[in-house]
Amino acid sequence: QKEVEQNSGPLSVPEGAIASLNCTYSDRGSQSFFWYRQYSGKSPELIMFIYSNGDKEDGRFTAQLNKASQYVSLLIRDSQPSDSATYLCAVRSSGGSYIPTFGRGTSLIVHP
Amino acid sequence: DTAVSQTPKYLVTQMGNDKSIKCEQNLGHDTMYWYKQDSKKFLKIMFSYNNKELIINETVPNRFSPKSPDKAHLNLHINSLELGDSAVYFCASSQGGLAGTGETQYFGPGTRLLVL
Repeated sequence: QKEVEQNSGPLSVPEGAIASLNCTYSDRGSQSFFWYRQYSGKSPELIMFIYSNGDKEDGRFTAQLNKASQYVSLLIRDSQPSDSATYLCAVRSSGGSYIPTFGRGTSLIVHP
Repeated sequence: DTAVSQTPKYLVTQMGNDKSIKCEQNLGHDTMYWYKQDSKKFLKIMFSYNNKELIINETVPNRFSPKSPDKAHLNLHINSLELGDSAVYFCASSQGGLAGTGETQYFGPGTRLLVL
């Protein structure tokens, strides 16, 4: 069974710090990797996707992918209290299915 | 201008009842999904549907059935509701491509179902 693992947290960081969120996956043939943010009581919304090894930056967010080690991470620089949410990692595995598998999410708390 | 909409937003009902949740997307996407998010926030795929195929998560009880009158709608019917069905149900859509932004899923606001 293809699995996506995340530490449920909560991860607590002070305002202005770097928040580092990690995700590991079991299917070595996985091809696409997504980070979604979900505020309490709201629906998930896409932050970033990444396909190639290395880093991908978008504003304060950086996604890092290491296929050899089977992990993908999300760094949030200059964390703000408004970043407090649950971050869901999603992985589309090999085999032709276009349906991603979601991790259980990591709760992030940014305190002033 | 809501991209993916769901109705109702809240649904409180008795065990044994049959209920439906409606979903509509105005993004022109080819693929729609239903997810269940339990109290521990785990987002689990239930169904995926495009104009070619229906993919059913084998762990979903057959009391749950998707109905798609057209490409923009994917409704969820639930028969003989049970206490364990209480959860938040999210509809989502994507362009359906296997690469690029076509894989990005756009979620509806969710339907909070409580079975008493």
